[in-house]
Amino acid sequence: KAGVTQTPRYLIKTRGQQVTLSCSPISGHRSVSWYQQTPGQGLQFLFEYFSETQRNKGNFPGRFSGRQFSNSRSEMNVSTLELGDSALYLCASSFRDTEAFFGQGTRLTVV
Amino acid sequence: QKEVEQNSGPLSVPEGAIASLNCTYSDRVSQSFFWYRQYSGKSPELIMSIYSNGDKEDGRFTAQLNKASQYVSLLIRDSQPSDSATYLCAVNKAAGNKLTFGGGTRVLVKP
Repeated sequence: KAGVTQTPRYLIKTRGQQVTLSCSPISGHRSVSWYQQTPGQGLQFLFEYFSETQRNKGNFPGRFSGRQFSNSRSEMNVSTLELGDSALYLCASSFRDTEAFFGQGTRLTVV
Repeated sequence: QKEVEQNSGPLSVPEGAIASLNCTYSDRVSQSFFWYRQYSGKSPELIMSIYSNGDKEDGRFTAQLNKASQYVSLLIRDSQPSDSATYLCAVNKAAGNKLTFGGGTRVLVKP
């Protein structure tokens, strides 16, 4: 069974640009969550989508947004990038409300 | 007070010994609890989940949950150098999947 797939693995962007990250969940998983991991703040929850609807939201500014498609694939977008957005962005998928399995992450560097 | 607290370590353990990791959480409505292992530069890997009071064993790992005292622990028996990693405690208190993570405990297993 294929795991959670995130693309791209690495990104370098300039301040002020926007970026879109993609996540394909494990087959049959309808919940997709996004997290940001930085050395200073650790792992922080961004948002969760279930059946194309945002079900939970973390405490991040509106520049961070996401969506989920009918095939459960999800994207997150960050607009007007700031240096502080440099982080590892992780996607996790779950079957119903149980264990969450993480993808390999997208390492975003903002210069 | 952080919602989920862990000792950052490092916890240094001789090979073959038991590593004991602790995690406390502040919100009594927390419903499910997870331990993840994260190797440097990699994404978190789920190693244990626990939902009710008591012990749960899986191979060399035992998770213990005490909701009255609001703590969850992880024991690693017969520790191996390959167990050297950061162990993250995660708590889910919401409907859906919205994990709150502790800062992680770094474990070093010395041969």
